[in-house]
Order: sequence, then structure tokens, then C-alpha cells
Amino acid sequence: DAGITQSPRHKVTETGTPVTLRCHQTENHRYMYWYRQDPGHGLRLIHYSYGVKDTDKGEVSDGYSVSRSKTEDFLLTLESATSSQTSVYFCAIGGDSSYNEQFFGPGTRLTVL
Amino acid sequence: GENVEQHPSTLSVQEGDSAVIKCTYSDSASNYFPWYKQELGKRPQLIIDIRSNVGEKKDQRIAVTLNKTAKHFSLHITETQPEDSAVYFCAVNNDYKLSFGAGTTVTVRA
Repeated sequence: DAGITQSPRHKVTETGTPVTLRCHQTENHRYMYWYRQDPGHGLRLIHYSYGVKDTDKGEVSDGYSVSRSKTEDFLLTLESATSSQTSVYFCAIGGDSSYNEQFFGPGTRLTVL
Repeated sequence: GENVEQHPSTLSVQEGDSAVIKCTYSDSASNYFPWYKQELGKRPQLIIDIRSNVGEKKDQRIAVTLNKTAKHFSLHITETQPEDSAVYFCAVNNDYKLSFGAGTTVTVRA
């Protein structure tokens, strides 16, 4: 499945705690993306990266930060988790052409109590 | 961002019949239109896509059509089978970012 993994796959945490999700690729794609998936909303872009240390916001970036210090790793951090951030988080890789085929990781189910 | 509307939200078809899902978008600069299939508890999987310079594309039982003038594109599944039951998402690319429709839950009745 396109050489992309996510960790952890499941996490339960409490409101106010910091949480970091990791995405790792072995495909050397330039672009990496973080989405959240909620019922009735499809997939919504949180942040994306177009190279090492190059990141930008998506449509639902409030409360999230990202970092990319290596081509293969893209981290998503919730500085102080809230119940509204309970969701399934997907990482994707792509952008090798202007047509931007994207391939998704297996997802992380995050529950904030 | 791009506004992508997807219809219907649910679709129930008899096995062997056809299924059609439609999406509309707002930005005429959009150049790429993929479709993803997501089975319960799994990741979205790219099943077919179409580029802005093409009007139709087929891959076995699935096809996608694009009408750039009207800003809409459709997924067609023929001879539906139980394994086609899933959630299908359309998406639109602009400047290396995909905007997704809300999804269509397809149920194939045996």
C-alpha cells in the first residue's frame, strides 16, 4: 500500500494533553498531507508539506501544528487536545506530478475524552 | 478552498445494475479529478482518475466522465457486485491540494 505507515494506529487521550501522530513513507514523495475524516464531512485537509521544513495550512488547521525534518517523516501535533479533535486521521503522499495522485496511509483513530 | 458537492449521499442498487455518482466543483482551474473507494475501517483507495484534458476514462466495470464546461464529473459502475459496497469519494485538485466530496455510501443488494 504505497509504502506509507502511520503510528500509533489507535490512541485514547484526555482533554488538554499533547498528542503527536507520525506518518512515515518509503516512496520519496515530495508532498505529504494530513487529513481528518468525520462522518458527513469526507476528508478535510489539516496541513501539508511540499518539502523538508516546508509546510502550509489546509482548511481545518486550527489547533494543529506539523513538522517535517526528513523527507520520509511528517508529524502532526495537537498541542492541547480537545474533544472536537476526536477523529480518524489519515496521512497521504503525492504531488509527484501536477495531477497530484495521492495515496493514503492506514489511518489513526484518535479519541479525546 | 474548492467547493465540491457530491450526490447522492446514499445509493442502494440491485446486484448487476449500474450505479452513478455525480460531483460538481467550482474552480475552473481544477486539473485532476480522482475517485476513491473506502471500505469500512480501511483507508481510501484510488480507483480511477481523470485529467482535465480528457472527457472519459474506463477501467473494466468503472468509468469516469468529465464535463469541464458544466464543472461536473461522474463515476459509473456497471454490473455491480457485492464487493462494490463501500463509500466512494470524489475529489478535485487545485495547486497540489485535493478537496473531497462528502462521500456516497453504495450498498449492492444481492
